[in-house]
Amino acid sequence: AQSVAQPEDQVNVAEGNPLTVKCTYSVSGNPYLFWYVQYPNRGLQFLLKYITGDNLVKGSYGFEAEFNKSQTSFHLKKPSALVSDSALYFCAVRDTGRRALTFGSGTRLQVQP
Amino acid sequence: GAVVSQHPSRVICKSGTSVKIECRSLDFQATTMFWYRQFPKQSLMLMATSNEGSKATYEQGVEKDKFLINHASLTLSTLTVTSAHPEDSSFYICSARSVDRGAQGGTYSPLHFGNGTRLTVT
Repeated sequence: AQSVAQPEDQVNVAEGNPLTVKCTYSVSGNPYLFWYVQYPNRGLQFLLKYITGDNLVKGSYGFEAEFNKSQTSFHLKKPSALVSDSALYFCAVRDTGRRALTFGSGTRLQVQP
Repeated sequence: GAVVSQHPSRVICKSGTSVKIECRSLDFQATTMFWYRQFPKQSLMLMATSNEGSKATYEQGVEKDKFLINHASLTLSTLTVTSAHPEDSSFYICSARSVDRGAQGGTYSPLHFGNGTRLTVT
């Protein structure tokens, strides 16, 4: 079964500094990987996805993610964090059987001004 | 981009009553919708897959008689929590995808999510 792991419950970063939110995956076959962001009491907003192609994927709001097959990782990155980036971030993998997404436990990003 | 509308955003009901949550795809047709449940400070857990014109597929441990799902059209799926109890209080989120052409020469559309429904059962 597919799964993703987000090892950090919370990441703190100062505004203007680069940020990284970690994600590792376990799948059989080719991984379909996603990042979503959730603001309080809201649904999830799609940030980016990796299906195939370039290992560096660019997404919404200046976010990008790097697919690393050898390390089975798909870390989310942004060169310069904003206070408004503070939210809950979820890594997800497509479940090929059910076609739904399986989510990681989430990482809360806190950007300090 | 694709928009999924979920209604109501918040509902408070008394124990023993039923609550219906609607999920609509506004600018695309969704043959499949997914219902998730999120507990406070936890991840999203898939409850069921809603298929237009057929029965929903429930995940293990999810009571199909308690969480009734109807996907009567290509743009609407409903989740009804029957005989609600306080332990059903949670954040329910629906999602939908427009097209899934697979990996070969096509594209895999991401899931689009509604804004969720906060259910509180008193």
